[in-house]
Amino acid sequence: KAGVTQTPRYLIKTRGQQVTLSCSPISGHRSVSWYQQTPGQGLQFLFEYFSETQRNKGNFPGRFSGRQFSNSRSEMNVSTLELGDSALYLCASSPGRSGSLPYEQYFGPGTRLTVT
Amino acid sequence: GEDVEQSLFLSVREGDSSVINCTYTDSSSTYLYWYKQEPGAGLQLLTYIFSNMDMKQDQRLTVLLNKKDKHLSLRIADTQTGDSAIYFCAERPLSGGYNKLIFGAGTRLAVHP
Repeated sequence: KAGVTQTPRYLIKTRGQQVTLSCSPISGHRSVSWYQQTPGQGLQFLFEYFSETQRNKGNFPGRFSGRQFSNSRSEMNVSTLELGDSALYLCASSPGRSGSLPYEQYFGPGTRLTVT
Repeated sequence: GEDVEQSLFLSVREGDSSVINCTYTDSSSTYLYWYKQEPGAGLQLLTYIFSNMDMKQDQRLTVLLNKKDKHLSLRIADTQTGDSAIYFCAERPLSGGYNKLIFGAGTRLAVHP
């Protein structure tokens, strides 16, 4: 089975721009979660999508948004980029069904975003 | 509250055992996980333990859970240079929603000859 794929792997943007990151989960998985990893704040949960609906959300400003398509692929968007948005953005895939204990999440390689 | 703490660094000699410790605060956490991150890579799920278990063994990995003290540890037997990486402990609080994980800051394991 192919793992979680994220595109692009690297991205350089300027302050004020917006960016869209993409994540393709493992085949058959319906849940996609997004995390931000920075040296200062560590790994922080952004949001989770399941069956095209946002099921859970972390404490990030509204500039961070996401969506999920019918094939379970997900995108996250960051508008009006700030220098502090520079981070590794990780996507995690999970079956997502209530019976799919123990809620194992499999991570992609991440997209490294640099804001200048 | 939700908080996970880990020591930041651990250095061990090749062939010795490594023990990485973690404390968490949310007593409702149902599952606790250990992830490994190598340079430039994403997170690799190593193992997990359900909160009603005390111990879980998986090849060279042993997870110990002290639920009373909210303390979790990961023991790596016969540590190899390929084990050098950052190890993250994570909890899945019951109140957090389906797939929200709370991570510790990570422990950097350095294995030297």
